[in-house]
Amino acid sequence: GAVVSQHPSWVICKSGTSVKIECRSLDFQATTMFWYRQFPKQSLMLMATSNEGSKATYEQGVEKDKFLINHASLTLSTLTVTSAHPEDSSFYICSARRLAAYNEQFFGPGTRLTVL
Amino acid sequence: AQKVTQAQTEISVVEKEDVTLDCVYETRDTTYYLFWYKQPPSGELVFLIRRNSFDEQNEISGRYSWNFQKSTSSFNFTITASQVVDSAVYFCALGTSGTYKYIFGTGTRLKVLA
Repeated sequence: GAVVSQHPSWVICKSGTSVKIECRSLDFQATTMFWYRQFPKQSLMLMATSNEGSKATYEQGVEKDKFLINHASLTLSTLTVTSAHPEDSSFYICSARRLAAYNEQFFGPGTRLTVL
Repeated sequence: AQKVTQAQTEISVVEKEDVTLDCVYETRDTTYYLFWYKQPPSGELVFLIRRNSFDEQNEISGRYSWNFQKSTSSFNFTITASQVVDSAVYFCALGTSGTYKYIFGTGTRLKVLA
């Protein structure tokens, strides 16, 4: 149990376009979902926390207008990178926290974004 | 401030050697959680262990063992008789009960040579 999927697993896009990444909890309801970004050979950095039905909370230094997060249901959160640029190329990982579970996040497999 | 330090950036060992990955954390919370994850080249994080702050018992799972010491704020991970398949980046993370956020260390890249 506690499986989280991400789609797509990789995406290549042109500079200036927008890209949407989906994060789904497949067999549980997630009160909270988290989005991380990982640059090559670096650690995971939390970008934002999203709760179902409310606005996401962004970490300091993360542009909320550039990284749009929508958590429309207890099983789906989306991250849209708007007007992507090459410096947005990264590995994006989502995680989900299960309802009534103590502090444990279940991680998706990640989405590799390359902006040309 | 909350922080996780993994001082070892990269470790190389020869197969069958034992290796210990260090993790030191900082937090003022009395209730917190510690985790270890493995990240192979595919990128997907593999959960290894979770420990809460009230459970200082050491844990052994096959070739893996963990030593949690609150007195030194450390949560070290030992792989016994390492194998090539253990080659990966290993992350230690700290989770707090309030925000449910995780703070990751910078990771230790382990290379096990045949």
